[in-house]
Amino acid sequence: DAKTTQPPSMDCAEGRAANLPCNHSTISGNEYVYWYRQIHSQGPQYIIHGLKNNETNEMASLIITEDRKSSTLILPHATLRDTAVYYCIVSTFFGNEKLTFGTGTRLTIIP
Amino acid sequence: EAGVAQSPRYKIIEKRQSVAFWCNPISGHATLYWYQQILGQGPKLLIQFQNNGVVDDSQLPKDRFSAERLKGVDSTLKIQPAKLEDSAVYLCASRTLGGPVYNEQFFGPGTRLTVL
Repeated sequence: DAKTTQPPSMDCAEGRAANLPCNHSTISGNEYVYWYRQIHSQGPQYIIHGLKNNETNEMASLIITEDRKSSTLILPHATLRDTAVYYCIVSTFFGNEKLTFGTGTRLTIIP
Repeated sequence: EAGVAQSPRYKIIEKRQSVAFWCNPISGHATLYWYQQILGQGPKLLIQFQNNGVVDDSQLPKDRFSAERLKGVDSTLKIQPAKLEDSAVYLCASRTLGGPVYNEQFFGPGTRLTVL
């Protein structure tokens, strides 16, 4: 079973920051938080990952709470192309640990 | 760099028929995955290959599903015989062992299977 809990859907106005929450209260010390997204009719796409520090790349920022039991993915200036299902996944970094996808959050960007 | 290629993109068959899907991973990617994605759900791993060896096939329904990765490059996933509940998108993904993001998987566009 998926180890994360996400809201099933969210809306965000175009140009605003989209903040997607994820709860992972049973995360282990050696598990990372990964975010993927899936645009309609495409395969999932990696966005970002982190262990305990906040991370930022060209696509998004990841804020992980100090106790690591929850995180937030931030899309700073959402565009219509960001409309997708966003998956929060916990997984170890090394070895053959598989990615277990839940049902994700369906983010709709409103013009 | 070319992405993960899959074919066909769409397939419609009758129940009890057979079907095969093909995947060509990104060049040099040693690890290859097949996922099943039922409408409204996240992808579910069916099988994972490391080169041409199976790493994990614990969720593959082996009575009807089979997969192979000859020569450690291309892979095929077969269903024989198909059931109505096999209607789904079948996704192929690959991963390199030496990339900057260890668990970054690159997904193909998928094959949408409809079983009538």
